[in-house]
Amino acid sequence: GAVVSQHPSRVICKSGTSVKIECRSLDFQATTMFWYRQFPKQSLMLMATSNEGSKATYEQGVEKDKFLINHASLTLSTLTVTSAHPEDSSFYICSARDRGRTDTQYFGPGTRLTVL
Amino acid sequence: AQSVTQPDIHITVSEGASLELRCNYSYGATPYLFWYVQSPGQGLQLLLKYFSGDTLVQGIKGFEAEFKRSQSSFNLRKPSVHWSDAAEYFCAVTSYDKVIFGPGTSLSVIP
Repeated sequence: GAVVSQHPSRVICKSGTSVKIECRSLDFQATTMFWYRQFPKQSLMLMATSNEGSKATYEQGVEKDKFLINHASLTLSTLTVTSAHPEDSSFYICSARDRGRTDTQYFGPGTRLTVL
Repeated sequence: AQSVTQPDIHITVSEGASLELRCNYSYGATPYLFWYVQSPGQGLQLLLKYFSGDTLVQGIKGFEAEFKRSQSSFNLRKPSVHWSDAAEYFCAVTSYDKVIFGPGTSLSVIP
């Protein structure tokens, strides 16, 4: 089956620093990747849609200058949380849509970000 | 606007008992519907999906779901629950390439 990985799985950083999270599709090409944020005991909230070779599309209320997304290849998208603050602490999950099977998204295992 | 509701925030069942998790959606066209499961601190695993055809869909881990257009529902069922099924369950619908998730139902299993 299609596999999506995320790295790191867990990161702790100091307030004011930037953190980069990688999302990779391991066995398929993904023209589109999605970034979600999940607060404890809540559902997933779509942050942005990342298309290979073009600018990401951000959902309303998501600061594009704070959450930088780069989709440089068909298998890699990165989310950089810039100048992180404690309120950015959350569980970040990416998903990738298989270009050969555009009807299904495959989710990564998530990244737990804790900002001190 | 497209939306997904899961009326039950939390459900507790005994091991071996049957399970039904409810899901209702609001969508203008024929929806693509999904059920995902999430264990604590983990990502999402796809249980099953419905795109078209047979309205009763079989998934992994013994789960099934039935699409009922007249009721705008896509309820998840399992005839006999195992302790390892305790997790968070999300119903979702695809809308213009975006996946819209329901609020989730937390399942607890009593031994």
